[in-house]
Amino acid sequence: GAVVSQHPSRVICKSGTSVKIECRSLDFQATTMFWYRQFPKQSLMLMATSNEGSKATYEQGVEKDKFLINHASLTLSTLTVTSAHPEDSSFYICSARLAGGYEQYFGPGTRLTVT
Amino acid sequence: GQSLEQPSEVTAVEGAIVQINCTYQTSGFYGLSWYQQHDGGAPTFLSYNALDGLEETGRFSSFLSRSDSYGYLLLQELQMKDSASYFCAVRDATNAGKSTFGDGTTLTVKP
Repeated sequence: GAVVSQHPSRVICKSGTSVKIECRSLDFQATTMFWYRQFPKQSLMLMATSNEGSKATYEQGVEKDKFLINHASLTLSTLTVTSAHPEDSSFYICSARLAGGYEQYFGPGTRLTVT
Repeated sequence: GQSLEQPSEVTAVEGAIVQINCTYQTSGFYGLSWYQQHDGGAPTFLSYNALDGLEETGRFSSFLSRSDSYGYLLLQELQMKDSASYFCAVRDATNAGKSTFGDGTTLTVKP
């Protein structure tokens, strides 16, 4: 099956700093990638849809200037949490979907802790 | 927009059969998916239904009734390793085909 990697798996940063999370599709080209946020024991909340070569589409309530998404190639999307605050601490998961496909392949997630 | 409802918790014993229901409201339906997520891990795809009926994949089956806006995931011959959270997700027919996930059902399998 298709493999999606995410890096880093865990990151601890200080309040006010920025953190970049990478999402890569390792063996397929992903025209569309999704970024989710998940709190403990809760559902996956879609933050944004990332399309290669175009601007990301953000969900209502998600600050695009705080959560910068770049989908520079068909295999890489990045999420940068700018000026992180403790309330940004969460599990961030990306997923990728093949063109014309319906299955989402999820990365292993990134646990962000802001101190 | 989309909204989905599924039970928050289900408990069953090894070897039993469990059905996890999902009802949804959507402005543009494309398909219903099911994902499994173990604690601390990433969701993994289980099944997808775009048309009415039953899809079977090994011990897991998924059913969809578009007219009732309803689906379910059926897990047979339960094993301890099936203890996990199960999410139904509706794919939107518009807006880049994004998916909205339900709140998840925590399945606990007991010996």
